[in-house]
Amino acid sequence: GESVGLHLPTLSVQEGDNSIINCAYSNSASDYFIWYKQESGKGPQFIIDIRSNMDKRQGQRVTVLLNKTVKHLSLQIAATQPGDSAVYFCAENMKGGYNKLIFGAGTRLAVHP
Amino acid sequence: KAGVTQTPRYLIKTRGQQVTLSCSPISGHRSVSWYQQTPGQGLQFLFEYFSETQRNKGNFPGRFSGRQFSNSRSEMNVSTLELGDSALYLCASSPTGTSGASRDTQYFGPGTRLTVL
Repeated sequence: GESVGLHLPTLSVQEGDNSIINCAYSNSASDYFIWYKQESGKGPQFIIDIRSNMDKRQGQRVTVLLNKTVKHLSLQIAATQPGDSAVYFCAENMKGGYNKLIFGAGTRLAVHP
Repeated sequence: KAGVTQTPRYLIKTRGQQVTLSCSPISGHRSVSWYQQTPGQGLQFLFEYFSETQRNKGNFPGRFSGRQFSNSRSEMNVSTLELGDSALYLCASSPTGTSGASRDTQYFGPGTRLTVL
C-alpha cells in the first residue's frame, strides 16, 4: 500500500516494550479526543477516545492521558507487538463542532523484533 | 455488522474532469463525514452530513461538494479536477443520536485513492 506520510516522526521500539506516542492539540475549546491507527493502504481505525471531563482512560493494552492545562494528549501501548506498527493520529473535536475532527500530523510507530 | 464501504477504491482522472465518490455508512449510522488525506497536508475535514443536511464544512473550494441520501449513503463530487486533488478520500460514519446534537466515535472506510494526471 501507499505510505500515509513520507516525513512523519518515527518512534522505534523493541517488541515487548511499552510505547508512548504524544500529541499536542490546538484548540482549547476541544472537548473530545480520539486516537486512530492507520496501516498502509487502510483507513484510520479507532483505538480509544476520551472526553475532557476525564484525564485518563484505559482500554485493552492502551491508555490515553489528557492534560488540558498544556493541551497535551498521549497514547500508551503496553507490550508493543509487531502488529502495532502503523501511523498513529490524534484527533480533536471541538464542542459544538458536530463531527468535525481536526487531526494531528501523525507518528509512525516501528516495532522491531 | 459491515463496516463503512467506499467505491471505487481507486480512480484515475485527468485535469478538468469531474469525479463522484460514494460512501455507504455502517448500518444505523446517520452521520457521514468526508476527509482528504495527502502526505503534505495530512487528514483534513471536508464536510459532514446528517439527515441529508450539511452541518459543517471545511476550508475547501466550492469545487468540492457532497450530498446525503435518505438511506444515509453519501456521495462527494469534485469538479474541474486539479493535480493537487490527488489524495486518499476517506469517509467516516457515526451513530449520532436522534437529536443530532451529540458527537460520536467516527468509523472510517478504506478510502478512495484518486489520482489526477
